[in-house]
Amino acid sequence: GAGVSQSPRYKVAKRGQDVALRCDPISGHVSLFWYQQALGQGPEFLTYFQNEAQLDKSGLPSDRFFAERPEGSVSTLKIQRTQQEDSAVYLCASSSKGQGSTYSGANVLTFGAGSRLTVL
Amino acid sequence: SQKIEQNSEALNIQEGKTATLTCNYTNYSPAYLQWYRQDPGRGPVFLLLIRENEKEKRKERLKVTFDTTLKQSLFHITASQPADSATYLCALDRNGGFKTIFGAGTRLFVKA
Repeated sequence: GAGVSQSPRYKVAKRGQDVALRCDPISGHVSLFWYQQALGQGPEFLTYFQNEAQLDKSGLPSDRFFAERPEGSVSTLKIQRTQQEDSAVYLCASSSKGQGSTYSGANVLTFGAGSRLTVL
Repeated sequence: SQKIEQNSEALNIQEGKTATLTCNYTNYSPAYLQWYRQDPGRGPVFLLLIRENEKEKRKERLKVTFDTTLKQSLFHITASQPADSATYLCALDRNGGFKTIFGAGTRLFVKA
């Protein structure tokens, strides 16, 4: 598609519920990123995929957070047993840059509009 | 630990004036520094990129400077307009890296 698409835009969950957030990146973009943005803060890195491989998941806050990109295109961020501190905007971004010698330059990100999660 | 600091207070300026936003960083050696704009309810949008060996970059009314000795970047918007009102985020990249890190952003309000 023309841009990065995220759904749902808004999600309200009761504490303890599982949620799934979807990201459809720009077609052909090798890399996909998930960021978490709390109110008044900058985006915080969660995880990174190059194609279907999850190369870095160091930013995931706990084992309740799980991300996948099985076919190297659409990605899903799943949060199990949601807690109130999970309330945030979850941003997905994609980039044409990938790891390896064939790629160079800065990691310029194209973001989606985000999914705002509110946990009650 | 790595840290990026941006003016936490909002910047209020009059239309037509130059807005200057600051980004300072510690414990990091970026190869690239980026600036993004974020409007309420939207994702950040890429504006400009400057490399570690560049001192200054311009794009239309935007100018970015990068001082790796001071570990600081300045972002200028000349002839500012109310439509420039937004949050501006500074972001850092290492060469060959993929984990772009962001500052908290500075809110800019341009009054007509």
